[in-house]
Amino acid sequence: QVVESGGDLVQPGGSLRLSCVASGFIFRSYAMTWVRQTPGKGLEWVSSITASSNRTYYTDSVKGRFTISKDTSKNTLYLHMLNLRIEDTAVYYCAKGLGSGSALDYWGQGTLVTVSS
Amino acid sequence: QSVLTQPPSASGTPGQRVTISCSGSSSNIGDNAVNWYRQLPGTAPKLLIYSTNQWPSGVPDRFSGSKSGTSASLAISGLQSDDEADYYCAAWDDSLKGLIFGGGTKLTVL
Repeated sequence: QVVESGGDLVQPGGSLRLSCVASGFIFRSYAMTWVRQTPGKGLEWVSSITASSNRTYYTDSVKGRFTISKDTSKNTLYLHMLNLRIEDTAVYYCAKGLGSGSALDYWGQGTLVTVSS
Repeated sequence: QSVLTQPPSASGTPGQRVTISCSGSSSNIGDNAVNWYRQLPGTAPKLLIYSTNQWPSGVPDRFSGSKSGTSASLAISGLQSDDEADYYCAAWDDSLKGLIFGGGTKLTVL
């Protein structure tokens, strides 16, 4: 199970930190991913981190603004978001990697980030 | 615009077999496994098929996946009313070094 939190209403240029608490699996053994979805639209991959946290990946539109990290002592995945833009408005899902390939086998319920003045 | 192309809608009647296509390129579907997700209204996506044609635990074999070249397909047989949902294909893209999703297909059961 993964449970996200931290979504909020924030002004353009603001910052936010999303959290995702994991349970029921060995957190340090799996890659984790953030995916977002604008209401009424499709899914967009945001960022992924390997099981050991030695590699991170970002979609081009968030590079330099978002940082993904894992705290294995707290079984928690984070997404630090800086310089937020209106187009970052979306529901952000945390998802667990299956363990092979790029499949995501457990998703949280999502947390809503609204960027608006 | 998504790198993976899906038809925006599909439909079928109960009991029918429906196929949803997903078209990509050599840097994604051509070289990597395809995964399929189903999203019911107001809920999080759920993994339906992984590694192109494998079922996660609990997914019935009415759902099947296949791939040929740079295209993939999801087939749903014995269509049921609660199969109405949005279906997304996804694959890793070696050029973009990221995960890409199709635009999604809204399935309607008539």
